[in-house]
Amino acid sequence: NAGVTQTPKFQVLKTGQSMTLQCAQDMNHNSMYWYRQDPGMGLRLIYYSASEGTTDKGEVPNGYNVSRLNKREFSLRLESAAPSQTSVYFCASTGLDRSGSNQPQHFGDGTRLSIL
Amino acid sequence: AQTVTQSQPEMSVQEAETVTLSCTYDTSENNYYLFWYKQPPSRQMILVIRQEAYKQQNATENRFSVNFQKAAKSFSLKISDSQLGDTAMYFCAFIIFNDYKLSFGAGTTVTVRA
Repeated sequence: NAGVTQTPKFQVLKTGQSMTLQCAQDMNHNSMYWYRQDPGMGLRLIYYSASEGTTDKGEVPNGYNVSRLNKREFSLRLESAAPSQTSVYFCASTGLDRSGSNQPQHFGDGTRLSIL
Repeated sequence: AQTVTQSQPEMSVQEAETVTLSCTYDTSENNYYLFWYKQPPSRQMILVIRQEAYKQQNATENRFSVNFQKAAKSFSLKISDSQLGDTAMYFCAFIIFNDYKLSFGAGTTVTVRA
């Protein structure tokens, strides 16, 4: 059971280049998320998808786009990378418990992205 | 908007001793969940413990326990009998019941000394 799989694990880009981070989950979860982690700031939500076919902005969406390709996959795209987007990116997913509330989120292993 | 504050950037503890990490949060909601996540050097995010706001009993998970004070909006994590493998960054997190947005604190780096 792989859980949440992110690719790639590391990437170096030049300013202005584009890049898509891939995320897939095999737990049949409805909701998926993209976060970025910066030193001293914890994890901040970029975008999320509450269910297949929907996406919504999080706390820091500027400079990013997302696609919920199907129930399993949720990609994050940087159209024109900037040095300020150097960060570690995490994908997460969650399902519903018996009460109908979201279970704790399961995280992928992260992608370290450096933009020069 | 919900805010989560972890006031201790770093903590150090001797192996086998106890360390307590603080977390406070701000919300006007009454029904929510609180979590502690562990991030070791491997970068994985691992759920340590979960607390439902409607439960008065503090959650425990083996050597990990919380002190949940709803009126004070405080959610501290106690690590007992610390082990070298507990060395990690610990994040406090908050989510409103039936919401999708998980809010994180800035994290506390815990170093367990041999």
